[in-house]
Amino acid sequence: SQQGEEDPQALSIQEGENATMNCSYKTSINNLQWYRQNSGRGLVHLILIRSNEREKHSGRLRVTLDTSKKSSSLLITASRAADTASYFCATEPLYNFNKFYFGSGTKLNVKP
Amino acid sequence: DVKVTQSSRYLVKRTGEKVFLECVQDMDHENMFWYRQDPGLGLRLIYFSYDVKMKEKGDIPEGYSVSREKKERFSLILESASTNQTSMYLCASRPGSQYQETQYFGPGTRLLVL
Repeated sequence: SQQGEEDPQALSIQEGENATMNCSYKTSINNLQWYRQNSGRGLVHLILIRSNEREKHSGRLRVTLDTSKKSSSLLITASRAADTASYFCATEPLYNFNKFYFGSGTKLNVKP
Repeated sequence: DVKVTQSSRYLVKRTGEKVFLECVQDMDHENMFWYRQDPGLGLRLIYFSYDVKMKEKGDIPEGYSVSREKKERFSLILESASTNQTSMYLCASRPGSQYQETQYFGPGTRLLVL
């Protein structure tokens, strides 16, 4: 399977702490994207990082990409209760436009 | 704001029934997708379409077909529903033909096949 793996599967932290989630994948990619899903709802796009980028920021989110290790991490700083959700990484393989592969997700619980 | 809508939030069908799931996007996107989401398995791509009447198989097309007669609408069809097709179905759309574009998801349809 070309599906990514996320680690950890579940994470529970206190409000104000940082949360780090990791994603590993198997094939060469064009880009990697992170999404958030609130319980039972659709996915919301957070960040896209291209294969030639190493780090990207958006507000309290920081994403890194290491193509030599085929891994990415998502850091949420100063977490809030509203960040409680599942987080998924998705990869788009090189030369395979539109054929996305999603990880199984990290379930983040931020306690107030 | 991009809006992707799905015809039903919840659906209950019987084994053997033909099931239609409809998805509509209002942003003139070329690409549309159907995924299913199961606990522990993440999202798996069933089919996608990059233009009207064009479709390509994803990872798990067996037991499903799709239709895209108009640019804004992408339908997923379960020809003869089975209990192992009980799942959450998510539709998404994506503009253009550039790799840096993201997907926009609908709210999902939770299908129960009895």
